Amino acid sequence: AQTVTQSQPEMSVQEAETVTLSCTYDTSESDYYLFWYKQPPSRQMILVIRQEAYKQQNATENRFSVNFQKAAKSFSLKISDSQLGDAAMYFCAYRNPYTGANSKLTFGKGITLSVRP
Amino acid sequence: NAGVMQNPRHLVRRRGQEARLRCSPMKGHSHVYWYRQLPEEGLKFMVYLQKENIIDESGMPKERFSAEFPKEGPSILRIQQVVRGDSAAYFCASSQPGGPETQYFGPGTRLLVL
Repeated sequence: AQTVTQSQPEMSVQEAETVTLSCTYDTSESDYYLFWYKQPPSRQMILVIRQEAYKQQNATENRFSVNFQKAAKSFSLKISDSQLGDAAMYFCAYRNPYTGANSKLTFGKGITLSVRP
Repeated sequence: NAGVMQNPRHLVRRRGQEARLRCSPMKGHSHVYWYRQLPEEGLKFMVYLQKENIIDESGMPKERFSAEFPKEGPSILRIQQVVRGDSAAYFCASSQPGGPETQYFGPGTRLLVL
């Protein structure tokens, strides 16, 4: 079974600075998908970024980018120029490449990010 | 361009009552997933449905919980005879077939069992 580990329960960053959130996972698959979701105080789950394992290039979405290290099974999220609105809980998630059964998301426990003004 | 809709947003039930949670997927999406989030925890998969079919229910408790996604209307997660341990946030996500099948989440239903 796949597992996702987020070992840092909390992190803090100064506004306008850069922060990196860590995530590791375990799988025997060679192809899969990885996601970062943001959950602000409203508790809505918002997709931040997605990475396909077969792509060597790291995904980027505006101020958000990932460092995907396939051999190390590591998938960290970098937030540049942090803003107060980035304060939220961030979840790393894994998905098998299959359609049908076993296409669920497996989530880590999350990390709470606070942004200091 | 409406996203995933869930209702009610908040639901209070007394022990032994039934809870019925509804989810309408995004337009064009035919796959629905239900997840549960306990306090201070990540989301845990419960069930995956396509229209009129349960594809994967490996995360569903064996008793009291059921889900459906009829040909017409929203997907429904039903919890019978609720207990305090059922208090949680229940999220629905939808996706469309093909490619990474990115799942987009609704706002969740917060269930409180008194």
